[in-house]
Amino acid sequence: GAVVSQHPSWVICKSGTSVKIECRSLDFQATTMFWYRQFPKQSLMLMATSNEGSKATYEQGVEKDKFLINHASLTLSTLTVTSAHPEDSSFYICSARDAGRTGGKGNTQYFGPGTRLTVL
Amino acid sequence: AQTVTQSQPEMSVQEAETVTLSCTYDTSENNYYLFWYKQPPSRQMILVIRQEAYKQQNATENRFSVNFQKAAKSFSLKISDSQLGDTAMYFCALAQTGNQFYFGTGTSLTVIP
Repeated sequence: GAVVSQHPSWVICKSGTSVKIECRSLDFQATTMFWYRQFPKQSLMLMATSNEGSKATYEQGVEKDKFLINHASLTLSTLTVTSAHPEDSSFYICSARDAGRTGGKGNTQYFGPGTRLTVL
Repeated sequence: AQTVTQSQPEMSVQEAETVTLSCTYDTSENNYYLFWYKQPPSRQMILVIRQEAYKQQNATENRFSVNFQKAAKSFSLKISDSQLGDTAMYFCALAQTGNQFYFGTGTSLTVIP
């Protein structure tokens, strides 16, 4: 149980184009999803917290107009990198919390496999 | 402020031996949760073990166990009978009720055949 999928697993795009990454919880409902960015050999950096049916909460320094997040249902959140540039190249990871659980299991984040974005 | 510190950037262990990864944290909350996640070369983050702060008993999951010292704010991970598949980055994380995770900087573990 608690499987999170992420699509695509990798994408190469030209500078100036937009890229959408999907994050789905497959066997549970997730009222809250998180989007992270990870540079090589570094820890995860939280970009934003996505709540179903409301606006995402962005971390300081993350441009909300550049990284558009939509959490339209209890099983789907999307991250759109708008007008991507080479400095946006990175590994993006989503995670989801199981809304149906309580205590420690309700506070556990389950991670997607990540998306490697390369902007040429 | 909440912080998580992993003071061992890299570690290695012989196959079948035991290794302990260190993690210390800081929080002013009394109710929180601690986790160890594993990130192998595939980069998929995998939950290894979870500890609820109000539980005194140390969590165990097969070959993985923790030493949770609440007063010292320490949460170390012990891997017994290390296997080649345990080679990965290990992240310690702190979560407070309903809020985001705070991750450590990670420990790169290599299991040597």
